Amino acid sequence: DQQVKQNSPSLSVQEGRISILNCDYTNSMFDYFLWYKKYPAEGPTFLISISSIKDKNEDGRFTVFLNKSAKHLSLHIVPSQPGDSAVYFCASKDQGGSEKLVFGKGTKLTVNP
Amino acid sequence: DAGITQSPRHKVTETGTPVTLRCHQTENHRYMYWYRQDPGHGLRLIHYSYGVKDTDKGEVSDGYSVSRSKTEDFLLTLESATSSQTSVYFCAISESDRRQGRDGYTFGSGTRLTVV
Repeated sequence: DQQVKQNSPSLSVQEGRISILNCDYTNSMFDYFLWYKKYPAEGPTFLISISSIKDKNEDGRFTVFLNKSAKHLSLHIVPSQPGDSAVYFCASKDQGGSEKLVFGKGTKLTVNP
Repeated sequence: DAGITQSPRHKVTETGTPVTLRCHQTENHRYMYWYRQDPGHGLRLIHYSYGVKDTDKGEVSDGYSVSRSKTEDFLLTLESATSSQTSVYFCAISESDRRQGRDGYTFGSGTRLTVV
């Protein structure tokens, strides 16, 4: 049973426009959420995170929104750049103290010049 | 960023042979993890460790074993490699600092394993 779902395997946007990547989770014990970015032949790298006590966290062009009632989070990239083309993974951690992250399957973002 | 290296970066092996992948960290982090990445499956946890000689299974642990005799090294062994274990393997370490907005993992660059 998938606890973290990224239902869009791919997304294509034009340079300068907004990219919105979505993630849903089923485990109500999750209290911390992260986004990772992965280029081909490299390991994933941390992008941005949000705690369940917040509903928004912003870092430059990247903003993560959390809707706890809907168990949904989204990553907004504004403006999108060709260098943002990568696979984005959503991940969650539960409040039980476990350090384990549960990952979604990823969304491949392509930003066209 | 934390120092984490995986070796080898690429390996081709034959079905039925044992294979060991190594993860080495220089940051003295307590937690270490092995994941595999496959198309359509994302990142799946194989095994993890929360200290020397303390390990536990993840969601896809069948056919794999791990050892951690030193804080800095976490070894993943495929006891008898099968074609279904062809994958990209990532090691990760925990680097938690929620005050800095970082509470997740640092990943290695990966090992691409092909079982023929």
